[in-house]
Amino acid sequence: GENVEQHPSTLSVQEGDSAVIKCTYSDSASNYFPWYKQELGKRPQLIIDIRSNVGEKKDQRIAVTLNKTAKHFSLHITETQPEDSAVYFCAVMDTGRRALTFGSGTRLQVQP
Amino acid sequence: NAGVMQNPRHLVRRRGQEARLRCSPMKGHSHVYWYRQLPEEGLKFMVYLQKENIIDESGMPKERFSAEFPKEGPSILRIQQVVRGDSAAYFCASSAGPGSTYEQYFGPGTRLTVT
Repeated sequence: GENVEQHPSTLSVQEGDSAVIKCTYSDSASNYFPWYKQELGKRPQLIIDIRSNVGEKKDQRIAVTLNKTAKHFSLHITETQPEDSAVYFCAVMDTGRRALTFGSGTRLQVQP
Repeated sequence: NAGVMQNPRHLVRRRGQEARLRCSPMKGHSHVYWYRQLPEEGLKFMVYLQKENIIDESGMPKERFSAEFPKEGPSILRIQQVVRGDSAAYFCASSAGPGSTYEQYFGPGTRLTVT
């Protein structure tokens, strides 16, 4: 089955700095890659996603890059703010199957 | 535009009792997924359903767990004879039908505590 590894497990940055979270996956059939933000006690919230036919996607301060050959993708958050503090999960999907396989999460702390 | 709804939000059961968790998908969505999240861990896929059909139950434990999505009403995840190890947050997600986007939107979760 699919195996997703996510690094780092914790990340602390100063407000205004950039944050980068990386994920690798094993199944070359995976072709959909979403990122979720989860605040304590809340639901996972979809923040950005990318399909395998695209190398990069950007939405304001958030961007995702995908290297399908190397089977890794990354989340980039620029100009971080204290409200960006949360746990971020990467996920992968083989769209023929539709189940998401999640990474283990990255706890991001943005220091004011 | 109501999102995915789950109830109850918190559920306490004694060992050996049954737990029933309910999920109503987002309006217009016909696909439902259940995931389990243990404390300080990621989400693990359990089961994928469409109306009256289980499409993929590869993540469901073989015993005590079952799921359904009837023609009318919410999807239900049932856990029989609960044990302490079943304590977790159970999240439901929904997506639109095939041929459309793959985004899955999550409900607020049911936090199950087995005492």
